[in-house]
Parts: sequence; C-alpha cells; structure tokens
Amino acid sequence: DAKTTQPPSMDCAEGRAANLPCNHSTISGNEYVYWYRQIHSQGPQYIIHGLKNNETNEMASLIITEDRKSSTLILPHATLRDTAVYYCIVSSGGSNYKLTFGKGTLLTVNP
Amino acid sequence: EPEVTQTPSHQVTQMGQEVILRCVPISNHLYFYWYRQILGQKVEFLVSFYNNEISEKSEIFDDQFSVERPDGSNFTLKIRSTKLEDSAMYFCASSDADRAKETQYFGPGTRLLVL
Repeated sequence: DAKTTQPPSMDCAEGRAANLPCNHSTISGNEYVYWYRQIHSQGPQYIIHGLKNNETNEMASLIITEDRKSSTLILPHATLRDTAVYYCIVSSGGSNYKLTFGKGTLLTVNP
Repeated sequence: EPEVTQTPSHQVTQMGQEVILRCVPISNHLYFYWYRQILGQKVEFLVSFYNNEISEKSEIFDDQFSVERPDGSNFTLKIRSTKLEDSAMYFCASSDADRAKETQYFGPGTRLLVL
C-alpha cells in the first residue's frame, strides 16, 4: 500500500472548517483513500473514503486532487468533540484485509 | 446504530497467564479483525478472520496468539502466555461483505495490563 504523509498536528477554532491534508504521491490506480479518527484512546472511527471523485457524508467531505497524489478531509463546522487524531490510509479497496495506521494528525479544536 | 462491543474493558493479569479478550462484532458482518495499540504508539494490525479461518496475520501474531469464533456472535483473541510487552489496548473490528473490507467498525477496546 502507498505511504501517506500528514502534518503531526493542527489547530482549528470551534465552528470553523477544519481542513486536514494528506499526501499520497505513490498511490496506484486501484488504491482508495480512507480516513479514520481516534478520540483519546477510543477505538478508531471510520469517517469516509474515496477513489478519485470527491465524496461527502454526514461527517465530512473528502477532496481528492485530480492526479490523486493528495487529498483533504474537511470537517465543515468543527466542534470540541472533533478533537482527535485523524488518520489518512491508502489501501487497495477490498483486496487488502488490514488497515495500516500511521501517526496521523492531532486536530485540536479550540473554543 | 449497531456497534462492536468488547469485554472486559480492562484486564490485569500476571505474566505467563492466559487471557481471552472477547468481542461481539456487528451482527451482519462477515470479516473480523484484531488490532492493538501500545501506549503512545500506532494502532497495529494483528489478524483478520473470515469464513472461520485466518485471512492474514502480522508478525506480531505469533504462536502465543489465537483467534476463534466459538459461536455465531462472539469473536475471541487468546494470548496463551502473556508477556510484559503484551500490555496494550486491544481493538476488535468488523466489516461487511457489501462494502470494502477497509471500512471497518471498531469496538471501544480492552486495556490489558500484564504485571
């Protein structure tokens, strides 16, 4: 699976949009981008995933660049409860059974 | 909303003892996983399980570890003879057949402390 690079930490003001970047320059054509988050030692929580089109669900939006070498997770109106470590994971959609977690980005939402 | 549950939430054991960590995956899911997270470190994949057999396992998952689905609802991780370095949070996860296997739903974890 392709490797990902994320900033170690980011801050965001409550109510503002949080934009979390991820670089995955070695991604191959059949690999999806997945985002998970982990709130203070709880189990990781699935957020969203995509292949090449932008995706939106009730939690977040995922913007993938046209060359697919990077993506951005957007939390449109961050709340204090969104403070967590966010993981960007690249995987080949269905053929790989495991998730390989990196260090992720610690997003701190400030009041 | 269906969720993965795990018991116990905390377990303290003596080195060399056997422990069994229990998980109840989401009811219609067919793929099951165990991960662990040593304090302050990354979440690490241990094993995946489908159709009553191991699909993939990591180097961590040595002969001291085993998994079982003893009935239609439970999924267990057994550590035969615990070591100090087995102290970690252990997370169970499950995914269904209709979505990509990487869309996994995690339980709250069991914190294992080996003394």
